[in-house]
Amino acid sequence: NAGVTQTPKFQVLKTGQSMTLQCAQDMNHEYMSWYRQDPGMGLRLIHYSVGAGITDQGEVPNGYNVSRSTTEDFPLRLLSAAPSQTSVYFCASSLQGAGIDTQYFGPGTRLTVL
Amino acid sequence: GQQVMQIPQYQHVQEGEDFTTYCNSSTTLSNIQWYKQRPGGHPVFLIQLVKSGEVKKQKRLTFQFGEAKKNSSLHITATQTTDVGTYFCAGLTNDYKLSFGAGTTVTVRA
Repeated sequence: NAGVTQTPKFQVLKTGQSMTLQCAQDMNHEYMSWYRQDPGMGLRLIHYSVGAGITDQGEVPNGYNVSRSTTEDFPLRLLSAAPSQTSVYFCASSLQGAGIDTQYFGPGTRLTVL
Repeated sequence: GQQVMQIPQYQHVQEGEDFTTYCNSSTTLSNIQWYKQRPGGHPVFLIQLVKSGEVKKQKRLTFQFGEAKKNSSLHITATQTTDVGTYFCAGLTNDYKLSFGAGTTVTVRA
């Protein structure tokens, strides 16, 4: 099993550009999440999904969209990139839910917005 | 705002020494999880504590959940260079919201 995969690993955007961060898992997990990690702030939840077709907002959803058309994939879209979105983005999945059982994290995408 | 607070933010340890990192919540937690993130890496699940007063050990790591289920600690004995990284706690509230602490970043002097 590949576990949780994320692409790209690194990305540089200009302010106003849009892009999609890809996330996929092959563990048949229902629960998937997107986090951003900034220095000194730990991990903050952006959006999450409890199954295909179901998504919800986390702590910091503004400027991001998600969709979950399949169990495996959970892409994160930046609509109009801003310098404040410079961060490391992690996708995670779990069988029953974040905090209920083990969360598996992807390798991350390091995003810089100029 | 951040519901789960973690101290200290940085821990510089001499190889072979012990240290403890603490996690405190403003509300009662259903459970608490601990993760480790190596420099440049991603968080990796270490353990989950569910019961009040629970203590679990993984080799040189000892995890404890407070009696009131509002705090937790991670104690590492005989620190090694392989212990370098950031340790996060994550508390699950009774309404199923998971809140991560800001982490304790550990460096080791050989």
